[in-house]
This record gives sequence, structure tokens and C-alpha cells, in this order.
Amino acid sequence: QKEVEQDPGPLSVPEGAIVSLNCTYSNSAFQYFMWYRQYSRKGPELLMYTYSSGNKEDGRFTAQVDKSSKYISLFIRDSQPSDSATYLCAMSPDYNTDKLIFGTGTRLQVFP
Amino acid sequence: EAQVTQNPRYLITVTGKKLTVTCSQNMNHEYMSWYRQDPGLGLRQIYYSMNVEVTDKGDVPEGYKVSRKEKRNFPLILESPSPNQTSLYFCASKVQGAAYEQYFGPGTRLTVT
Repeated sequence: QKEVEQDPGPLSVPEGAIVSLNCTYSNSAFQYFMWYRQYSRKGPELLMYTYSSGNKEDGRFTAQVDKSSKYISLFIRDSQPSDSATYLCAMSPDYNTDKLIFGTGTRLQVFP
Repeated sequence: EAQVTQNPRYLITVTGKKLTVTCSQNMNHEYMSWYRQDPGLGLRQIYYSMNVEVTDKGDVPEGYKVSRKEKRNFPLILESPSPNQTSLYFCASKVQGAAYEQYFGPGTRLTVT
């Protein structure tokens, strides 16, 4: 079993839809949770990060962590065609670690 | 502009022909690493470096070499490439610690025939 599981998609939604992207993990030591966005032919870029449980909102994006279920989510409201990308979750046990564990990524397509 | 650069962006080569992919960052980061990205397997770390002259193996180091002679540069060397090293490679850098503040390069797509 992989430490981090993520549905590869593709997930295809119409413009304006609410998108939910999810990852599950098995290591209860993970404390920092990140979402990276990767456009085609580009490197991943950090979108959001959260520490421990709870929600974090940034514009149209909300990151949610449920440590009791070992489940994290990224919600995108009012999705736009420019949101079409692959979304990678990543995790680490603490701030000072250098090692990130990545999910395999979910490809999202938002059509006009 | 703060960035990580990689060269070349695309490379097609033959089995056994040594190659080097360069990586450079202009953010004065101590930590640099190399990843490969494969469908269904995600990003896997090949090697990392915590500072000049300090390198260590990641999760999939077989068939690769690295060196860190200068803080800004971290080249990836494939001494004898094989077809199973066909992949998308990313260099990344960050401040030591600060798990989430990782900056990735644009990627190098390598095909070994």
C-alpha cells in the first residue's frame, strides 16, 4: 500500500462547477499537507499548505484536513478553464523535514 | 526573478550514452533535489543535497549520479542510460527545513531508446 493515495482522474467538469480533489494517507505522523498545481509541460508549483487538521481558504481554493480519517481535500469554487492542470498532494511529518511524500496527482479539466 | 532552471528541456538519446542534465537556482537555497515523474508512480526522489559537497540517495538512486560543487548548481548524471530511465525529471530547491517551500524547475523530458 502506498503511503499517499490519489485518484488519477481525469476529472472533467464544466466551468463554474465546484471541484473536490482528495488524497488519503496511511502515516499518522504526517502534520504538514500541501497541494501543488502542475500545468502541462511545467514543474509543480505550491498552491496551498495546511498544518495539522482544519481548513484553510485562499480565494477560490479551500484546503481541508481530516487527520482522524487520514483524508485531505482541495475544493475549487467557480472553477475556470485556467484551473485545468494536474493537482498533486504532498505531505511531511514536520516543518523541519526535507522529505515530501507526493501523491500521484489528479488531472483536472474544466471545459467552457 | 527567483527560479530553478534545467537544461536541456527535451533529450532523446541511446542506451549507454552518458548524459548530464544541468540544474541551477538563483535563490541561494541550501537544499536541492532531483525527482523523476512517471505515470501512476508520481514524483519520486532520486538524490538530494543539503549543501555543497553533501549529497545523499533518495528513493530511486540506481543508475544516477549527482554532484554539488557549487551552491547554485546540482547536475544529474546518467553514466549509462537505459530505457527504464525514460521519464520526466524535475530539479527542485528550497531553504533547509521549511518542508513546503519547494520550488521546481520546468522539467526535462528524457527518452532513452
